[in-house]
Amino acid sequence: AQKVTQAQTEISVVEKEDVTLDCVYETRDTTYYLFWYKQPPSGELVFLIRRNSFDEQNEISGRYSWNFQKSTSSFNFTITASQVVDSAVYFCALSEASQGGKLIFGQGTELSVKP
Amino acid sequence: GAGVSQSPRYKVAKRGQDVALRCDPISGHVSLFWYQQALGQGPEFLTYFQNEAQLDKSGLPSDRFFAERPEGSVSTLKIQRTQQEDSAVYLCASSAHQGPSQVAFFGQGTRLTVV
Repeated sequence: AQKVTQAQTEISVVEKEDVTLDCVYETRDTTYYLFWYKQPPSGELVFLIRRNSFDEQNEISGRYSWNFQKSTSSFNFTITASQVVDSAVYFCALSEASQGGKLIFGQGTELSVKP
Repeated sequence: GAGVSQSPRYKVAKRGQDVALRCDPISGHVSLFWYQQALGQGPEFLTYFQNEAQLDKSGLPSDRFFAERPEGSVSTLKIQRTQQEDSAVYLCASSAHQGPSQVAFFGQGTRLTVV
């Protein structure tokens, strides 16, 4: 069955530290997509990145980078030189080709960046 | 509109009362999703529309939950005879096209509290 696991419930770091948020997924589909969303206190989920199952290239966008490894079914997210504005709940999500676009979310990791 | 709009932002209902939650998706978006997010959890899929057709309602927790999108734009999620376990944030999302690769854009949600 499809599942997304974010084992870290809460992480607290001091500003300028690097932090990695873990995501492990389970699926039987060979074609699937992985997403990361950020949920600030306002409640709206903000899209960060999408990867498809055939593209294992790591991606970097500014201070954000993502490491996708099919061999370990992981899609981890690293924030370099964290800032207070990065404080939020981060969700990893899976979309399977057989399921029409619905997202299966992990439980989320609450990141707190202290000044 | 510029983003997905949900109303009301907050709703307090007495147990047994019926409620209706509204979602205005991004103009022209084909797909519309409803999710339920319990406190401290990730969003869970409820139902999915492609234009006016409800293609998947497998996540609706009971027959007290009903969703519609009669003209393929605005959607309403109705909960009849609310129970305390219905207390959650209800998130609406839309995407431009149909399919698992589409990025979903989320509204800020409606926080429902059943007392």
